[in-house]
Amino acid sequence: DAGVIQSPRHEVTEMGQEVTLRCKPISGHNSLFWYRQTMMRGLELLIYFNNNVPIDDSGMPEDRFSAKMPNASFSTLKIQPSEPRDSAVYFCASERGREAPNEQFFGPGTRLTVL
Amino acid sequence: AQSVTQPDIRITVSEGASLELRCNYSYGATPYLFWYVQSPGQGLQLLLKYFSGDTQDQGIKGFEAEFKRSQSSFNLRKPSVHWSDAAEYFCAVVDQNYQLIWGAGTKLIIKP
Repeated sequence: DAGVIQSPRHEVTEMGQEVTLRCKPISGHNSLFWYRQTMMRGLELLIYFNNNVPIDDSGMPEDRFSAKMPNASFSTLKIQPSEPRDSAVYFCASERGREAPNEQFFGPGTRLTVL
Repeated sequence: AQSVTQPDIRITVSEGASLELRCNYSYGATPYLFWYVQSPGQGLQLLLKYFSGDTQDQGIKGFEAEFKRSQSSFNLRKPSVHWSDAAEYFCAVVDQNYQLIWGAGTKLIIKP
């Protein structure tokens, strides 16, 4: 298995531009998580999906952030418009299911820089 | 509310020396605990987990962790560190919604 795949690995954009981050979870995993990691705030859960349905988006910073999971093998996190304070590493993780505590498998992350 | 505390932001250890990374949790019920490792520029990888039963759990790369309910601790140990162990280590506890509550992480620096 290729593991969780994220693209792009690096993104540099200018303030005000739209940014789309992509994630392909491990096949057969039913839950998907988007995290943001910064030096100041550490690892923050933004949103998670179970069976393609958003369950908890309380961690999404504001309306500029949106996430979708149109099918079991693909999810996007979009920032529109982007701001310099959005600069961070964004991780996607997948998990087998929510019936019991399970290991989350992380992707390599997307390093976003907003100028 | 559940929380995880990793008191040490950074630890420096000589190669070959023993290691202990501290983790304290706050959770009312039987906790499910994890240790993850993040190498530079990489995602997080599971080192080991504690679900129930034994006080010690063996993980990958020679790491082990001891769960002590009386101290609300889940410290990570390794008898002899290698330069390749230099990374950041995160402790996490599962809350009642099966969400991971993360510690702030401890950065491990290995001296040659």
